[in-house]
Amino acid sequence: DAKTTQPPSMDCAEGRAANLPCNHSTISGNEYVYWYRQIHSQGPQYIIHGLKNNETNEMASLIITEDRKSSTLILPHATLRDTAVYYCIVRVASRNDMRFGAGTRLTVKP
Amino acid sequence: EPEVTQTPSHQVTQMGQEVILRCVPISNHLYFYWYRQILGQKVEFLVSFYNNEISEKSEIFDDQFSVERPDGSNFTLKIRSTKLEDSAMYFCASSPDRNSYEQYFGPGTRLTVT
Repeated sequence: DAKTTQPPSMDCAEGRAANLPCNHSTISGNEYVYWYRQIHSQGPQYIIHGLKNNETNEMASLIITEDRKSSTLILPHATLRDTAVYYCIVRVASRNDMRFGAGTRLTVKP
Repeated sequence: EPEVTQTPSHQVTQMGQEVILRCVPISNHLYFYWYRQILGQKVEFLVSFYNNEISEKSEIFDDQFSVERPDGSNFTLKIRSTKLEDSAMYFCASSPDRNSYEQYFGPGTRLTVT
């Protein structure tokens, strides 16, 4: 699986958009980008995933660059409840496991 | 909304003892997983399970560990002879099928080995 690089921590003001970057420069053509988050030692929670097109769901948007070497998770209106560790994971769809890295600790401040 | 449940929420055991962690995956899911997270560290994959056999396992999942689906609802992780370094949060997860993009995680069992 391709290695991912994320900043260790970020802050965001409540109500503003949170933009979380992820670099995956060695991604291969059949690898998807997944985002999960973990709120204070709870079980990880799926957010969104994509292959090459931008994706949006009720939680977030995922922007993948044209060369697929990086992506950005966007939380459009961050709330205090969005404070969590956010994980960017790259893997082929046929694998069973999610390989979590250190992630980005997002702190949403009032 | 259906969810993965885990029991107990906290288990304390003495070094060398056997421990069984229990999970009830979402009812129509076919793939089951165990992960662990040592305090302050990243979430680590242990094993995946499908059709009553192990599908994949990590290098962490050695002979001390075993998994079982003893009936139609439970999925268990057994650690035969616990070590201090087995102290961690253990998460169970399930997914509808192999290629599912979403794994649904339970709340975890905190295992403390003394």
